[in-house]
Amino acid sequence: DAGVTQSPTHLIKTRGQQVTLRCSPKSGHDTVSWYQQALGQGPQFIFQYYEEEERQRGNFPDRFSGHQFPNYSSELNVNALWLGDSALYLCASSLLTGSIADTQYFGPGTRLTVL
Amino acid sequence: QQQVKQSPQSLIVQKGGISIINCAYENTAFDYFPWYQQFPGKGPALLIAIRPDVSEKKEGRFTISFNKSAKQFSLHIMDSQPGDSATYFCAARPSGTYKYIFGTGTRLKVLA
Repeated sequence: DAGVTQSPTHLIKTRGQQVTLRCSPKSGHDTVSWYQQALGQGPQFIFQYYEEEERQRGNFPDRFSGHQFPNYSSELNVNALWLGDSALYLCASSLLTGSIADTQYFGPGTRLTVL
Repeated sequence: QQQVKQSPQSLIVQKGGISIINCAYENTAFDYFPWYQQFPGKGPALLIAIRPDVSEKKEGRFTISFNKSAKQFSLHIMDSQPGDSATYFCAARPSGTYKYIFGTGTRLKVLA
């Protein structure tokens, strides 16, 4: 059973460029969340997608946008990159059960470096 | 601003010893408190989690203690092993939301 997969593993971009990161959720999961993890910090919530719609958003600017496809996979897009966007971007998937304990399973992340 | 404060930043423990990591929160409206373990180059992996109506939960060598009145919760790793060397994050989920707020992490090193 494949866990959460993310691509690419590493990415180098320059300031002002745009980037798209991809995530495939764990088999059977229908919800995808994206987090940004700066070096030496804990992950910070960007947004969550369920049924192809953004269900909740964290404190990130509109330059960060996403999409969820009918097969539950998801993309994170970041426009007008700046140096501060350099981080590990984590995707987490979960299954909406209505239970309080909807465990989020994280992928290995995409390391984005902005020069 | 909802926050979760985690301490210590780093911890060194002898093999077989007890590792203790503490977290405190400032907002009472959290409904779920998971702990994650992260190895270099990997994403965080769920270790153990607790609800606020439970004071303690144990799974193998890992125990969460929860003090609702003090707004604190801690992770105890009994019989710590070199393979436990990793970064540990506490997290909390605000009630009625789908996001987790993470602490800043504790880098644990268990000496052989």
